[in-house]
Amino acid sequence: EAGVAQSPRYKIIEKRQSVAFWCNPISGHATLYWYQQILGQGPKLLIQFQNNGVVDDSQLPKDRFSAERLKGVDSTLKIQPAKLEDSAVYLCASSSGQLLQETQYFGPGTRLLVL
Amino acid sequence: AQSVTQLGSHVSVSEGALVLLRCNYSSSVPPYLFWYVQYPNQGLQLLLKYTTGATLVKGINGFEAEFKKSETSFHLTKPSAHMSDAAEYFCAVTKRGSQGNLIFGKGTKLSVKP
Repeated sequence: EAGVAQSPRYKIIEKRQSVAFWCNPISGHATLYWYQQILGQGPKLLIQFQNNGVVDDSQLPKDRFSAERLKGVDSTLKIQPAKLEDSAVYLCASSSGQLLQETQYFGPGTRLLVL
Repeated sequence: AQSVTQLGSHVSVSEGALVLLRCNYSSSVPPYLFWYVQYPNQGLQLLLKYTTGATLVKGINGFEAEFKKSETSFHLTKPSAHMSDAAEYFCAVTKRGSQGNLIFGKGTKLSVKP
C-alpha cells in the first residue's frame, strides 16, 4: 500500500513570495490533515478535511494560508505572502475516517525555508 | 484546554540500556493517547496508542507504554535500546467527544551510545 505522498520535499523562497505544497493521501482515506512543525516543536494542526469539506481550520492563518481538497482526494496548501516565521516542515497526514482513535499516517513532509 | 508535556527534550542512553521517555497530559476527560516516532527527514510513524481497555499497550519495535490515569501519564519504555532507536519521539493526545485533533508534545530526541 502506497503511503502519503508530498511534494516538493524542500523549498526555499524569499519573504513575500508565494508557495504551494501538494499532498496525495493513502487511497480511500477520507480524512486529510495539514500540520505545521516548527523546529524544536511538535506538529500543530493547520486544517482538517473530511472528504472535500473542512472540519477544522481554527488554527489556519487565513490572511495568508489557504488550502483546498478538490474531489476529496489530493490537497494543496498555499502560503501567500510568506513570512520568515513560516519556515517549518509542513506535514500532510491521512486517516480512513474521522474517529478519534484512528491512526493518522504521515507523509515525509515539505521543508520550507523563508529568507 | 488539553496539553501534553514531555519531560526532557533530549535523552541519551547506552545501547542495551532501558529507554524511558516521559509524557504527562492534562485533560478534563480521559483522552486517547499516542506515541509517534520521527526519523531524520521523515514523517511521523505511529508506535502505539491507547484508546480503551488494557492500560499497558505494546507497540512496534519492542516499545510499550502504560496509561496511568491517577498520574495522568503515558510513559514510553523499551527494555533494551538499539542503535536504530535513535530518533525523535512525540507524545500526543486527542480528546474524546471533540473533533479529535491530535495535540502533540514538543518531542524528546533519543540518542543511543554504542
